[in-house]
Amino acid sequence: NAGVTQTPKFRVLKTGQSMTLLCAQDMNHEYMYWYRQDPGMGLRLIHYSVGEGTTAKGEVPDGYNVSRLKKQNFLLGLESAAPSQTSVYFCASSESGTEGEQYFGPGTRLTVT
Amino acid sequence: GENVEQHPSTLSVQEGDSAVIKCTYSDSASNYFPWYKQELGKRPQLIIDIRSNVGEKKDQRIAVTLNKTAKHFSLHITETQPEDSAVYFCAASILDMRFGAGTRLTVKP
Repeated sequence: NAGVTQTPKFRVLKTGQSMTLLCAQDMNHEYMYWYRQDPGMGLRLIHYSVGEGTTAKGEVPDGYNVSRLKKQNFLLGLESAAPSQTSVYFCASSESGTEGEQYFGPGTRLTVT
Repeated sequence: GENVEQHPSTLSVQEGDSAVIKCTYSDSASNYFPWYKQELGKRPQLIIDIRSNVGEKKDQRIAVTLNKTAKHFSLHITETQPEDSAVYFCAASILDMRFGAGTRLTVKP
């Protein structure tokens, strides 16, 4: 079991460029989440999904889009990157939604110049 | 939405001492309160959690207490060891998970 994996591990973008972060889980979890982590601000939820084909906005969704075409994959897109999106991005999955353990991926460090 | 505040932001203790981290939440409907540990450069990992129908939960050196009336919960680590050094996050959950800003715990040998 690989658990939760994220691709890529690191990325540097120029302002205005686009990219997609991929999250994959092999635990057959229904729920998947994207967070961003900034110094002194903890983890903030960007978007989440409660099952294949569903997505919902979290606390800080602006500037991001997501898709969950397959149960095991959750994609996070940045259409036009801005320096304010420089952060570490974590994906997580959960079997029982918001009342159970979330399993995190290793993170993606994104720098927007 | 839910708002979670966590204190202190940094905590330094001597090996063997106890450490206490406190969190408050705003939405009385929140019903699940996990604590995550994040070592430097690593992913967050769950260390203990508590649900709203329980007042206290213990797992070896780690315990969590919940006061629903006051809307606060605390993490207690006893007999701290250098490997307990990390950033600890509390969270409160109703429709989605809201995390505190984190506490950097340093255990000095």
